[in-house]
Amino acid sequence: AQSVTQLDSQVPVFEEAPVELRCNYSSSVSVYLFWYVQYPNQGLQLLLKYLSGSTLVKGINGFEAEFNKSQTSFHLRKPSVHISDTAEYFCAVNFGGTSGSRLTFGEGTQLTVNP
Amino acid sequence: DSGVTQTPKHLITATGQRVTLRCSPRSGDLSVYWYQQSLDQGLQFLIQYYNGEERAKGNILERFSAQQFPDLHSELNLSSLELGDSALYFCASSPGAGSSYNEQFFGPGTRLTVL
Repeated sequence: AQSVTQLDSQVPVFEEAPVELRCNYSSSVSVYLFWYVQYPNQGLQLLLKYLSGSTLVKGINGFEAEFNKSQTSFHLRKPSVHISDTAEYFCAVNFGGTSGSRLTFGEGTQLTVNP
Repeated sequence: DSGVTQTPKHLITATGQRVTLRCSPRSGDLSVYWYQQSLDQGLQFLIQYYNGEERAKGNILERFSAQQFPDLHSELNLSSLELGDSALYFCASSPGAGSSYNEQFFGPGTRLTVL
């Protein structure tokens, strides 16, 4: 079955520390991968996406993610976080084929940046 | 601001009632998607419309229905409401037929509380 797993439900870090939010998916076919961020009481905003090409993708707000096909992972990283990065982060996958353009989301990771 | 608008922002109603959620996509976007975000189910795809026609269906209950009008706005109708329907309902839009690689732009959501 096609699924998306975010391995950490909560990640607390200190300001200016690096962070990695982990995402794995289950699929034997080519996929399109996205990371979205949800700030409190707001909708989802796209951080970055992987469609094809270079496996290292850079997004907004200093975030980047690396696609690893053999490990079916798409982990999100930031070298130095700010208080304002506190939010919930969602990994989303488009599995293509019969699933069309719908997105399948992971459970979300709450990133809390402490001073 | 994604350019996708949703009304109302909050909705409180009673079990057994019927409500209508409204979404206006970004200017020029022909595809509209509806997602439900709840504590137990996470973010789930409900349904997609493209240029007035239903394009894909996800985990949408029979008590729920949607449509897209000629001006491309969409409405999600929820009837015979149950406590478990309490959730945040997001609308998203994307250009064209909503190809797998297209970014989906999310609205701020409608928070539905069923008492």
